[in-house]
Order: sequence, then structure tokens, then C-alpha cells
Amino acid sequence: DTAVSQTPKYLVTQMGNDKSIKCEQNLGHDTMYWYKQDSKKFLKIMFSYNNKELIINETVPNRFSPKSPDKAHLNLHINSLELGDSAVYFCASSQMTGSDYGYTFGSGTRLTVV
Amino acid sequence: DQQVKQNSPSLSVQEGRISILNCDYTNSMFDYFLWYKKYPAEGPTFLISISSIKDKNEDGRFTVFLNKSAKHLSLHIVPSQPGDSAVYFCAAKSTGTYKYIFGTGTRLKVLA
Repeated sequence: DTAVSQTPKYLVTQMGNDKSIKCEQNLGHDTMYWYKQDSKKFLKIMFSYNNKELIINETVPNRFSPKSPDKAHLNLHINSLELGDSAVYFCASSQMTGSDYGYTFGSGTRLTVV
Repeated sequence: DQQVKQNSPSLSVQEGRISILNCDYTNSMFDYFLWYKKYPAEGPTFLISISSIKDKNEDGRFTVFLNKSAKHLSLHIVPSQPGDSAVYFCAAKSTGTYKYIFGTGTRLKVLA
């Protein structure tokens, strides 16, 4: 049973396309996150939702839009993909917001924009 | 401005010896720290944590030390095993904030 699952694992697409990455957690956690790991290996938070409510919205382009239909799901939709969007995107969840117990991460989605 | 820094991108250690991974931070408001371990093609997994009220936390072979005055923490793995070969990230946050700031990771290779 995968605790935090992301789909797809790999995504290759052309510039200008719109794509979505899905994330689901079966841990009963209240908070979910999207992190981006760029080519320099920085893991940077993009968004966080707590019980379907957006609580963290870092400075990311408007082309990125998270959607949380329920507290077990947090999807990431990206419009008009650009070369610089190529990265590994990690979904994560935690029991409490900014939990002292850390996050449970998914295995990542490697996005390549060509 | 990178608030959490792991200045050693890689480290090689012989099996059975001690591995010491270092992490420095610049924000004096950080008061909770985590270490994560990441294998290729997998997400980071939580390893060990420490809060600023402590200077040491131990869990089996893993010990994290915190030096608040130096804004430095380190992860000790004793004895190191080949299965410990992975990328290790430290992360920090301050009370009242929702997000952890991650370092860029150190790749540990334990040689058999």
C-alpha cells in the first residue's frame, strides 16, 4: 500500500502543452504539499493545502494551479509548459500543518519539457 | 538566498566507519530540524528530527547534533552500512510557520 502516490512517474511533453500531475495519500493526513526539485537539487515548496484550503502559495507562475477536491488528493495542473518547468515534482503530506513529524513524500514525477 | 546549506555535495565512507553529514543554517528563528534520506527514483523519507530545546537526538545508528550558537547541525551514522548509500537532506523551520526549508543534499556512498 503506497502511502503517497503520484501519477505519472515520468512525463515528457512539448512546450506550450497543458499537463496535470495527480497525488493521493491514504494516511489520513490533513495537509498536502507540492515541492519542486530543480536541476540544482533544491527542494522548494510550491503549494500547501490543509483540509482542501490553500495555506501556502509560494511565488510560482500563475501557470501552475493546484486543486484539492478532498483532503486525500492534491493535483497540480500546469498550463503553457516551458522548458524551465523541467524538474522533479514531489507531492507530500503531513499529519499537521508544518508538522514536527515531517512529511511523507511521494516518489516524484519527473517532468521533461522539450 | 539559501537559508539551509549542505556544503558537501558528496561523501564516501568505508563500511563500518562513521559517516558525518553537515548542515548549516542562517535563520536564527529556525527551531525544528529534520533529516531525510533519499534513494534514486524515490521520494525523501523521514529519518530523524531535533528541536532547538535539545542538542542531541539518537535513534539507533543515527544521531543528530545541534549547535545553536554555530547554527550548525550534523547527522552521525555509526556504523555505516552499504544500504545507507543515498542522498541526505536536512530541513529546517521555525515555530508558527508551515513550511520546511531544505538543503541541497549530500550524496553518501558507503563502500563495502
